[in-house]
Amino acid sequence: TAGITQAPTSQILAAGRSMTLRCTQDMRHNAMYWYRQDLGLGLRLIHYSNTAGTTGKGEVPDGYSVSRANTDDFPLTLASAVPSQTSVYFCASSDSAGVNTDTQYFGPGTRLTVL
Amino acid sequence: GQNIDQPTEMTATEGAIVQINCTYQTSGFNGLFWYQQHAGEAPTFLSYNVLDGLEEKGRFSSFLSRSKGYSYLLLKELQMKDSASYLCAVRDGDYKLSFGAGTTVTVRA
Repeated sequence: TAGITQAPTSQILAAGRSMTLRCTQDMRHNAMYWYRQDLGLGLRLIHYSNTAGTTGKGEVPDGYSVSRANTDDFPLTLASAVPSQTSVYFCASSDSAGVNTDTQYFGPGTRLTVL
Repeated sequence: GQNIDQPTEMTATEGAIVQINCTYQTSGFNGLFWYQQHAGEAPTFLSYNVLDGLEEKGRFSSFLSRSKGYSYLLLKELQMKDSASYLCAVRDGDYKLSFGAGTTVTVRA
């Protein structure tokens, strides 16, 4: 199985433009997450979804929006990109968000540069 | 907010042992995870601890002391392929993962 796929692999975007990062999982996991990873800061949670049809805000949600129309897909949208959103974005999924043993599995990441 | 600390860098020789420490202060605790991340790749799951003590998995072991807010990841018989960043992550009371900044381990021949 593919696990988690993300698209695009990398992107250069002009400031002020909008962009949607795509994430798809084929493991039928209930929960999905978006993180950004910046040097020296580690992974920070942007938005999450515990189950299809629900979403929640993470640690750094401003400037980002998500939707969860079905189990497999969890797109992340930047409505008007700014240079501080330059980062590597990782999508992750897990089976059951409220269980202690629940483990998150990560996609390959999208490297986004906003100029 | 959550506070998770781990050393920035460590260097060790092939065949040696390295111990990566992680201390944490979080709002609630529902388990501690270690992930490995090679440069330019996704984090991959290594280990999970929720009870105090040592969990061994081949060359890798992870220890947890909840009362001290402390964990370590022990890498034995180091190989060149173990050169990577190691991420400590704590699941808080809301079941969200908070990550440390990662420890970059360099294995030298």
